[in-house]
Parts: sequence; structure tokens; C-alpha cells
Amino acid sequence: GNSVTQMEGPVTLSEEAFLTINCTYTATGYPSLFWYVQYPGEGLQLLLKATKADDKGSNKGFEATYRKETTSFHLEKGSVQVSDSAVYFCAVPNFGNEKLTFGTGTRLTIIP
Amino acid sequence: DGGITQSPKYLFRKEGQNVTLSCEQNLNHDAMYWYRQDPGQGLRLIYYSQIVNDFQKGDIAEGYSVSREKKESFPLTVTSAQKNPTAFYLCASTSTGLPNQPQHFGDGTRLSIL
Repeated sequence: GNSVTQMEGPVTLSEEAFLTINCTYTATGYPSLFWYVQYPGEGLQLLLKATKADDKGSNKGFEATYRKETTSFHLEKGSVQVSDSAVYFCAVPNFGNEKLTFGTGTRLTIIP
Repeated sequence: DGGITQSPKYLFRKEGQNVTLSCEQNLNHDAMYWYRQDPGQGLRLIYYSQIVNDFQKGDIAEGYSVSREKKESFPLTVTSAQKNPTAFYLCASTSTGLPNQPQHFGDGTRLSIL
């Protein structure tokens, strides 16, 4: 089955720092790839997605590029804000799109 | 606005009691899911349903039950057989009409033991 390996947290950064959260995956075929964000006490929200190789998903200043050759989908942001403090999950659907496989999540804390 | 509504937001269970968590969606999605999230942990799949009147066990189904009598509703019952039910429960749904669609999540129900 599919698997997702995500950068261990927690990650603490100062405001305006550059952020990278690593995600690598194994999957059958060429599925879409997703990043979700979970703010404290809330459910998960789709942050961005990419549907095929070399696609770049972007939203709210975050970006991730679908790298088929390295099976990676790393999340980046050039200048983080305190409001970006949350838990971030990388996810990949299985071949029949019945289920999503999630990474373990990376807790990000931004200090002013 | 379309979305997923979970209720209640907080729920308390006494020993030996069954409790039911509600999940309703108005997105016209065919597939619905229940996940469990423990503090500092990822999501674990409890049950999922891709069509009305049918559902499948996920990775941690023991001690839980579900029903799917209507397309928009997928309630989860935490039975007394679930000895460690304290967790954050998340419901999700997705369309099965197109491939590679993301799941949409509700705001969760936090269940605690009294």
C-alpha cells in the first residue's frame, strides 16, 4: 500500500524565517498529492494540491512541487508568520481513491 | 455554504455507555470517513463508506460501529467495548465521481471519559 514519510516535528521558527517541511511518498501509479493544515482545535483544511509530475501547488504563500523522480512533495514558504502556527499533514490517495494515507504531521510554531 | 457539520463539539462518556457522534454533509459527496486523532498523533481511519447502505472497516474499527442510511449522514457510535475512547474524532467526505479528489473535513468532536 501507499506510505508517506514526513519530517518529524516539532519545528520552531522565528517570524519571517524560511520554512521547509519534507515529505516523501510511495504510491501505485501517479496520484495527486496533498498538504493539509490543522489549526488548534479544528479539523483539517486542504492547503494545496498537485495533480501530476512537476505541478506546483500554491496557496497562502505556501508552495510544494510534485517531484516524481525523488517521490517528494516538500512544503515551503519564504517568510512565515505567527498565524502559520499549526500542524501540517502530507497525504496521498490510494489507487482507487478510496482512502488517503497521511503522514504523521509536523507541528510548526512561529515565534514573534 | 456547503460543508461538513460534526456535533457535538465536546462529548463526555460514562463507563459502560455507548455514545453517538453525528456527521452531516451537504456537499453531495458519495464517500464519507471517520478518523481518530490522539494528542500529538496523526490520523487513523476507523470506518469509511463509499455508497449508501455500505461501509468498510478501517485500521482501528474495534469498539466502533457506523451506519449509512442516507447519503448525507454517517454517524459513528463509540461502544462500551472501546476501552480507550478519549480522542479527537474527525469526519470527512469526498466525491468519487472524479479521480484524485481531496477529502473535506468537519471541525471534529472531542470525546472524553467521565
